[in-house]
Amino acid sequence: QVHLQESGPGLVKPSEALSLTCTVSGASISSYYYWSWIRQPPGKGLEWIGYYYSGNTNYNPSLKSRLTISIDTSKNQFYLNLRSVTAADTAVYYCVRGNQQSYEYYMDVWGKGATVSVSS
Amino acid sequence: DIVLTQSPGTLSLSPGERATLSCRASQSVSSSYLVWYQQKPGQAPRLLIHGASSRAAGIPDRFSGSGSGTDFTLTISGLEPEDLAVYYCQQYADSPLTFGGGTKVEIK
Repeated sequence: QVHLQESGPGLVKPSEALSLTCTVSGASISSYYYWSWIRQPPGKGLEWIGYYYSGNTNYNPSLKSRLTISIDTSKNQFYLNLRSVTAADTAVYYCVRGNQQSYEYYMDVWGKGATVSVSS
Repeated sequence: DIVLTQSPGTLSLSPGERATLSCRASQSVSSSYLVWYQQKPGQAPRLLIHGASSRAAGIPDRFSGSGSGTDFTLTISGLEPEDLAVYYCQQYADSPLTFGGGTKVEIK
């Protein structure tokens, strides 16, 4: 069974970088899945951040200038780095596995989520 | 960007009733790329329906999806108390991937 677990600081200062790690168990991060990040501001809906897939990345244009998603195959982990954060980046951040099967795309495995607050 | 509009915002029904949730896209979306998720209070979202109408593994058959083009529907036949949740539709027919704003299902 595949599990994803987010980790990282729960509090980040404005203008600094938010960095999160997702540890994958039960599957190889080298396999052909879309290793993704989704966030959810308090009391609001879901926002796609972006993904890493087979050596390529795809980012939400609204975040692209501040965002890097990367992987470390030796650790079976993938990462989120969001620079120059503001209070608007306060959210629960989910790491998620995206899956493409038979011309369908869906996100089938979700981490429990990491709460990140941006505040001085 | 493809905008997904979900309605109603909140649905309040009694156990055993039928819930009909709507997801309307701002442009045509291939059914292959229309997905529904369930998010229970305090939990991460869970995959419910993919390809507009295929139930994910372990999802009870009271959940069904339908639709095409710009209009999609999630139906819960015979509400159970544990169906209390927010339901989101999502598309990836075109980048960026987008979600609807969600429909909250309350159980009377």
